[in-house]
Amino acid sequence: AAGVIQSPRHLIKEKRETATLKCYPIPRHDTVYWYQQGPGQDPQFLISFYEKMQSDKGSIPDRFSAQQFSDYHSELNMSSLELGDSALYFCASSQGTSGGWITDTQYFGPGTRLTVL
Amino acid sequence: DQQVKQNSPSLSVQEGRISILNCDYTNSMFDYFLWYKKYPAEGPTFLISISSIKDKNEDGRFTVFLNKSAKHLSLHIVPSQPGDSAVYFCAASSGTYKYIFGTGTRLKVLA
Repeated sequence: AAGVIQSPRHLIKEKRETATLKCYPIPRHDTVYWYQQGPGQDPQFLISFYEKMQSDKGSIPDRFSAQQFSDYHSELNMSSLELGDSALYFCASSQGTSGGWITDTQYFGPGTRLTVL
Repeated sequence: DQQVKQNSPSLSVQEGRISILNCDYTNSMFDYFLWYKKYPAEGPTFLISISSIKDKNEDGRFTVFLNKSAKHLSLHIVPSQPGDSAVYFCAASSGTYKYIFGTGTRLKVLA
């Protein structure tokens, strides 16, 4: 079965650079969630989109922005990167049966490992 | 079929007392459990987690207990504070990159 696709899988950037992470949800899923997982930590919710509109916003820094496109894929844009942004970034998707609420079953992608030097 | 259930939609507790939020699950393959807290108009915030190889995990005022035989976990908050008033979600994962959330319990801590 098709799963959530994230690209790139690994990304190395330098401080103050910009990074763009992409997420392709499972076909027919209309909700996308972004999580940040630091070393030894659990995933922290960043932001979610339902039907191309932001549905929930968590601890996402102002330097980050995200959007969901007409084909439901999503991109997380990170600017002015800092060392502390080094983490595993997960994207999850769901069918949004409850309107994109967190309680919809979320299927996670393999993650993008971002390293900021 | 609700694999993760939070049967109490709401709970009120006096400040300083213990809050106990419960979560039941049906799938014995779940091996990782998390609790998230959500304030109105804000996104969920990760609170605490527990792996199925443990039966207790503690972080400050928050303790999660896991009873695998009963397929039950609970979150204890001691002492409860008014700032703890929020909706609490438990989530379960079977290691297949899938989180299944409960429907949430609204906790109100009375001053």
